[in-house]
Amino acid sequence: GQQLNQSPQSMFIQEGEDVSMNCTSSSIFNTWLWYKQDPGEGPVLLIALYKAGELTSNGRLTAQFGITRKDSFLNISASIPSDVGIYFCAGPKIIQGAQKLVFGQGTRLTINP
Amino acid sequence: DSGVTQTPKHLITATGQRVTLRCSPRSGDLSVYWYQQSLDQGLQFLIQYYNGEERAKGNILERFSAQQFPDLHSELNLSSLELGDSALYFCASSVVPENTGELFFGEGSRLTVL
Repeated sequence: GQQLNQSPQSMFIQEGEDVSMNCTSSSIFNTWLWYKQDPGEGPVLLIALYKAGELTSNGRLTAQFGITRKDSFLNISASIPSDVGIYFCAGPKIIQGAQKLVFGQGTRLTINP
Repeated sequence: DSGVTQTPKHLITATGQRVTLRCSPRSGDLSVYWYQQSLDQGLQFLIQYYNGEERAKGNILERFSAQQFPDLHSELNLSSLELGDSALYFCASSVVPENTGELFFGEGSRLTVL
């Protein structure tokens, strides 16, 4: 169906390490988005990607829109404690005649100080 | 602070009961979306309203209903509650009618059904 598959499901890293996570789909998306959910909070949009091959940065975060339009990657450099949370990929898709936002299951990031 | 306000933040109730969750969108946003997040699950889209009219429907149960009022705030009504309805319910808003993905989420209402 319209599922987005994120990997890994969880990560346990040391502070200062770089992080990579990805999101794949069996169907094409024309927009890829990455959200972060802090514990006890709602998701916040980090990066939006609109063009295949696009590489976009937001501070220590870098995301790429895969050339096949079926995947996207998020990298975090030099992780810090406030990077802890759940990272969701998402993409809008026409489903049953209406544009809806499909979310992945999330990658949970835990950082050991 | 996203500008989206949800109340209540926490709610505990019993099976069979009915609850209402409330959302005020960001100032100027005409679209309101409701999402459900169960424990360790992703976000499941329930329903979208734009300027008072239903715009899109997701996996919303028949026991659930929503509406958007003239002042643009929205309410999600959950009835005949079951244990499995325990979840975080998020409201999000945006300016445009089409869901482009650039949403502003509230902090959520955590519902516990005992």
